[in-house]
Amino acid sequence: GAGVSQTPSNKVTEKGKYVELRCDPISGHTALYWYRQSLGQGPEFLIYFQGTGAADDSGLPNDRFFAVRPEGSVSTLKIQRTERGDSAVYLCASSLTGPLGDTGELFFGEGSRLTVL
Amino acid sequence: QKEVEQDPGPLSVPEGAIVSLNCTYSNSAFQYFMWYRQYSRKGPELLMYTYSSGNKEDGRFTAQVDKSSKYISLFIRDSQPSDSATYLCAMSPNNNAGNMLTFGGGTRLMVKP
Repeated sequence: GAGVSQTPSNKVTEKGKYVELRCDPISGHTALYWYRQSLGQGPEFLIYFQGTGAADDSGLPNDRFFAVRPEGSVSTLKIQRTERGDSAVYLCASSLTGPLGDTGELFFGEGSRLTVL
Repeated sequence: QKEVEQDPGPLSVPEGAIVSLNCTYSNSAFQYFMWYRQYSRKGPELLMYTYSSGNKEDGRFTAQVDKSSKYISLFIRDSQPSDSATYLCAMSPNNNAGNMLTFGGGTRLMVKP
């Protein structure tokens, strides 16, 4: 597709349930990022992939959060034992990577809005 | 105290007005400064990107950085109803390092026809 695609756009779940959020980046973008945006706040960094590997996962809040990108394209953010505080919009972004490893402009998807009841 | 502070607004202006949006920050390591525009229920999109102190102009938009005061601004001239959105400032110590971006909370702008 032309842009970053995220599914589902909306997800309502109950406390304690498991959730998966999917991101399909722009074709050819090797760098992929997950951010979380709470209501009235700016996005906060969660995890960054360069190809298939997680280059930086320092933003993941705890071990209930995990993300994969097995083939270097689509990524899945997985949240176990969801809590009400996990309610937020989860944004995915992708960018090109230069020859020196520097990443370019981030292109964001529309986000997956997660509500934990 | 947050690393990047931004007045949440909302800021309401008439069409054609000059808009001034601002952020302050505390981390002197920030070298790269960005402004993103976010429409309701959409992802942020990059508007302006500047390095260190100085001004940068792009059409109706001007970005200013004053590192000595740790203060950045975005000016919008001849504002249009289509400019109504939330404006997020973002900063990074490294060039285009998406994993090192720190965002402000955003200012909601409403331009009334």
